[in-house]
Amino acid sequence: GAVVSQHPSWVICKSGTSVKIECRSLDFQATTMFWYRQFPKQSLMLMATSNEGSKATYEQGVEKDKFLINHASLTLSTLTVTSAHPEDSSFYICSARDFTGGYTFGSGTRLTVV
Amino acid sequence: AQKVTQAQTEISVVEKEDVTLDCVYETRDTTYYLFWYKQPPSGELVFLIRRNSFDEQNEISGRYSWNFQKSTSSFNFTITASQVVDSAVYFCALSEARNDKIIFGKGTRLHILP
Repeated sequence: GAVVSQHPSWVICKSGTSVKIECRSLDFQATTMFWYRQFPKQSLMLMATSNEGSKATYEQGVEKDKFLINHASLTLSTLTVTSAHPEDSSFYICSARDFTGGYTFGSGTRLTVV
Repeated sequence: AQKVTQAQTEISVVEKEDVTLDCVYETRDTTYYLFWYKQPPSGELVFLIRRNSFDEQNEISGRYSWNFQKSTSSFNFTITASQVVDSAVYFCALSEARNDKIIFGKGTRLHILP
């Protein structure tokens, strides 16, 4: 079946630094990928829709300059959390529409900002 | 706008009992898809089912069954003879054909007690 590989699975960074999370579709091409954030004991909130070769579409309330999304190829989308702060600590998860018409999710990245 | 409501925040049942997780959705589209996902403590999302808006047939997969009723905009999930391994957070989700993004309910945390 369709596989989406997400790296890293966890990361700890210092406040003020930037962190890049990669999401790669391994066996299919993904023209569209989605990025979600999940705080502890809460639901998955859609942050943005990443489109290959064009600008991402951000949901209301999500800072574009803080969460940089790049979708340079049909198999790779990246999310960069710039100037991370403790309140950015969360579980980030990506997904892509796969060849079955469903959604395949990455395994998630647990970000801790200290 | 699309919306998913899971009114049950947390449910606890004793092993072998049946349990039903409720899901009510809102959409203006006539073509849409409904999903259920399981999220164990590891955080990874496990796909359980996808149902399109034109298929109201109930689905059974082993101990799992789903009841889709367009008249009440509900897509409920029942686990029969629950097991401890069923303990997880379960999310109901909705995507509309016109915008492709998948929106999640707040989730129901299910505890199966031995």
